[in-house]
Amino acid sequence: GQQVMQIPQYQHVQEGEDFTTYCNSSTTLSNIQWYKQRPGGHPVFLIQLVKSGEVKKQKRLTFQFGEAKKNSSLHITATQTTDVGTYFCAGPKTGANNLFFGTGTRLTVIP
Amino acid sequence: DGGITQSPKYLFRKEGQNVTLSCEQNLNHDAMYWYRQDPGQGLRLIYYSQIVNDFQKGDIAEGYSVSREKKESFPLTVTSAQKNPTAFYLCASSILGAGPGELFFGEGSRLTVL
Repeated sequence: GQQVMQIPQYQHVQEGEDFTTYCNSSTTLSNIQWYKQRPGGHPVFLIQLVKSGEVKKQKRLTFQFGEAKKNSSLHITATQTTDVGTYFCAGPKTGANNLFFGTGTRLTVIP
Repeated sequence: DGGITQSPKYLFRKEGQNVTLSCEQNLNHDAMYWYRQDPGQGLRLIYYSQIVNDFQKGDIAEGYSVSREKKESFPLTVTSAQKNPTAFYLCASSILGAGPGELFFGEGSRLTVL
């Protein structure tokens, strides 16, 4: 079945260090979305990428969609304690009008 | 304030009891979804609905039931047939387009079976 894997599963970084999470799909995706879930909270939409090779930036966050549209990455430059949380990627489920979520990467930032 | 309201936030249930989780949205979204999240894991789709009086099973629908009698409301019933119901339940909604759009989530309902 369709799978969306994220690596790493957990990441601890010192405040100020960079962080990257990778998302790999077993199928080609028409688009990919990223969400952030703070501890004890609910997922919040960050961004959607649609085009092959697309790169988008939001302040210290850089999102990239792979050329083959099967992988994506989220890079955070100079992490801050406010970046703590779990980051999920999500893509359209094959043959259905809903999203299939990745396994998530849990980021801890040490002050 | 537009958004999604889930209730209750915390719920305790004895084994063998059915429980209904409420989800209401005032975003005028056509599509609504229920996801289940277990500790340290991703989100798995239980049911979704794109129009009133119609809904589809997601990946883990067994032991759950839903209804969509109004556009604004999409309640989820966790039945006694659900073998491991303790989890965090998230309701979401989105605009209905050519594909799944941005999801707006409620704050979630945390169900514990005693």
